Parts: sequence; structure tokens; C-alpha cells
Amino acid sequence: QVQLKETGPGLVQPTQTLSITCTVSGFSLTSYYMQWVRQTPGKGLEWMGFIRSGGSTEYNSEFKSRLSISRDTSKNQVFLKMNSLKTEDTGVYYCARDPNYGSYVMDAWGQGASVTVSS
Amino acid sequence: DIKMTQSPSSLSASLGERVTISCRASENINNILAWYQKKEDGSVKLLIYYTSNLQSGVPSRFSGSGSGKDYSLTISGLESEDIATYYCQQGYTPLTFGSGTKLEIK
Repeated sequence: QVQLKETGPGLVQPTQTLSITCTVSGFSLTSYYMQWVRQTPGKGLEWMGFIRSGGSTEYNSEFKSRLSISRDTSKNQVFLKMNSLKTEDTGVYYCARDPNYGSYVMDAWGQGASVTVSS
Repeated sequence: DIKMTQSPSSLSASLGERVTISCRASENINNILAWYQKKEDGSVKLLIYYTSNLQSGVPSRFSGSGSGKDYSLTISGLESEDIATYYCQQGYTPLTFGSGTKLEIK
């Protein structure tokens, strides 16, 4: 059974760094791309970036300067780190699996990690 | 970036009715278009990929069509479990989503 679960801090102060962990089960990170998407009140659903099955990454230039995606395949975990947080980064952050259909789609999603950026 | 314009933003329909949601891309996306369903509890489900391919496990009342810049999702015979917000997504990086269509029962 494919499962994804995001865990995050809930509340982060402005200018600080956000760290979210996505723990997966039922499949191997070395066989799938893993995507990160967020939903904010201001911009709706936004693609943030992905990590390929081989471990390389691609980011949305909107976030590129402050976003990092990595993984630990031995722990079945994918990590999102974003620095210099602003109040506009408040939202729900999702990890999702890309099934390699030949285009970038997401066939399994976590339940999302709600993040509030506030002092 | 490719902009996805989705319409309508909200839709009220009766059970059993046929419902269509549209998505227009700012340029030709060569059928690389997916549709998702997002429920109130936050869960997200892939419905359709490559314009018209039904994801495994998705009921056959969902269908997709389109080409070039214009795409649509149709629900043939609305059921109560279909109450959700629907999003389109194009598949060229940077990936972009439509703004969503909130579907309610009349």
C-alpha cells in the first residue's frame, strides 16, 4: 500500500528556515520522482520542485534561491528545506509521487503539512 | 511560465447531472494535462493524465478531452462523493495548476 506522510513544524518565524520530512512506504524512492507542491491562500497550488529517482533535483525558479530538496533512501524519506521564510509562505505543503508516465503528474499525495509563518 | 485558466471557479449541479470543467493553457501543451480532485479533508487524487487517460481506480464517469490549448474534464452522472475542488495541471516545467473549480450539489 502506497503511503506518504509529511511532518513539519507547524509554526515558523519569519526569516527562519522551514524543514518538512516526507516519509513514504509501499514503494522505493530509487524508482520514482518525488514532487513537492504547496497551496497558499495567495497563489493556490504551486509546484516547488522534484527529486529524480537518481537523486538529482529540479526547482521552480520562483523558489530556487532558497529551496533545497534531498532524500535518505535508507529511511524512505524526502526532505524539503526552504529558508528566508515570509508570511506569504503560509500554507499547506504536499509531497507527491510521480509515477513516471512520461509526463510530470502526481499519482499519490500525502495529507499535507500545514505551515504558518508568523512571529 | 504556462498559465492555466480554469473555469468556472465554482459550479452547483444536481445529482446525476453531467458536469464539465474547462482549462485553457496560455500556449499549446500537446495534451500533457492532468486533472486532480481535492477533497475538503485535504486529500488529493489523480483522476486523469495525458488529457484522457483514466487513472487506475477512478470511476469511469470521469473523462477528459481536449487538444492544443483547450481541455476539459467531464463527470457523467454526478454523485455525492464527487463534491470536491478540481484542478488541472500542465506537464512542462515549471509545472503549473489551474485555480480550481469548487463543485457543490444543488
